[in-house]
Amino acid sequence: AQKVTQAQTEISVVEKEDVTLDCVYETRDTTYYLFWYKQPPSGELVFLIRRNSFDEQNEISGRYSWNFQKSTSSFNFTITASQVVDSAVYFCALRRMDSSYKLIFGSGTRLLVRP
Amino acid sequence: DVKVTQSSRYLVKRTGEKVFLECVQDMDHENMFWYRQDPGLGLRLIYFSYDVKMKEKGDIPEGYSVSREKKERFSLILESTSTNQTSMYLCASSLWGVHGSNQPQHFGDGTRLSIL
Repeated sequence: AQKVTQAQTEISVVEKEDVTLDCVYETRDTTYYLFWYKQPPSGELVFLIRRNSFDEQNEISGRYSWNFQKSTSSFNFTITASQVVDSAVYFCALRRMDSSYKLIFGSGTRLLVRP
Repeated sequence: DVKVTQSSRYLVKRTGEKVFLECVQDMDHENMFWYRQDPGLGLRLIYFSYDVKMKEKGDIPEGYSVSREKKERFSLILESTSTNQTSMYLCASSLWGVHGSNQPQHFGDGTRLSIL
């Protein structure tokens, strides 16, 4: 069975703090994709990153960075120097590398960045 | 940029009514999806379609049906609404095929449906 767990339901930080959102997944597949999406108050899910299971290199994009560790089945997301505009719900998701295209989502982490 | 448009942002209906939620995408994507989002549960797949007139059940298809008569449009139908269908409904689309397997799904803004 496939499963994604985001244990942090809600996180509140003060602007300019760093914050890490945890994502732990379960799968029996040896190959798969992992995704992060952001859902601002407007409602639309915005794609942030895709990582395939072959590639364990960490990735940095501006203030965002992702730490993929296959050994611990984790794909954590860090925001450096958080800003109020980062306030949103963040979802981690898992997909098999087959034709099903089915995304398995975690329950999401609500991030509130206070000025 | 991919644009996925959902016909309504907010809808209020009464129990037993028939409801159509419409979704249109402008990027010629083969795959289209309907999810519902509930607090603490994340997004759950209701149905998806990989081609015109083709559909497959997701995790929670009960109480829903879908229609895909044209490639760009995917409709979610609630035949007889019940209060437990009050939720946020999200439509998404993505590419299909060998180049599509690693492509992200692109989402619409969502429809918040309230059943009274």
